[in-house]
Amino acid sequence: DAKTTQPTSMDCAEGRAANLPCNHSTISGNEYVYWYRQIHSQGPQYIIHGLKNNETNEMASLIITEDRKSSTLILPHATLRDTAVYYCIVRVPFSGAGSYQLTFGKGTKLSVIP
Amino acid sequence: KAGVTQTPRYLIKTRGQQVTLSCSPISGHRSVSWYQQTPGQGLQFLFEYFSETQRNKGNFPGRFSGRQFSNSRSEMNVSTLELGDSALYLCASSLFGGPNYGYTFGSGTRLTVV
Repeated sequence: DAKTTQPTSMDCAEGRAANLPCNHSTISGNEYVYWYRQIHSQGPQYIIHGLKNNETNEMASLIITEDRKSSTLILPHATLRDTAVYYCIVRVPFSGAGSYQLTFGKGTKLSVIP
Repeated sequence: KAGVTQTPRYLIKTRGQQVTLSCSPISGHRSVSWYQQTPGQGLQFLFEYFSETQRNKGNFPGRFSGRQFSNSRSEMNVSTLELGDSALYLCASSLFGGPNYGYTFGSGTRLTVV
């Protein structure tokens, strides 16, 4: 799995957009970018994933640069409940034949401030 | 639908004892993985089971073991507990051959070794 680099921590005002960056300069052509988050003392929660096109779901948007060496997770209107550690993971897509192991880094601790 | 269920939520054991943790995956999910989370090491992969077979194993000593039953429920066992085994143990399930967003995590079992 490609190595990722994320800032250790970030603050965001409640109601504003939270933009969480992730660098993955060694990403391979068949590797996807996955985002999970972990709210204190709970299990990690899947947010979104993408290959090269921008993706959006009910939780967030994922912007991947054209060279795929970095990406940004966007929470459009951050709330206090979005305070969590956010993990960016790069790996080949899950399939029936492959390993389902996830390699977590340190992640970014996002604090949403009232 | 019901999520991933881990029991017990909290556990206190004495050094040298053994412990068994239980995980019930989402109905229909056949892959179950276990992770250990500590403040110092973060989230680390323990092992993954699929169809009652261990398919992948992380870098942990043989004191850590697991198994999966025919109904996909899984247990992990830690023998001869050490103080350093105090951690949050997370179970995650995944649908074989299903959507490639990977895992759904449980809320974990918080193990304290005294």
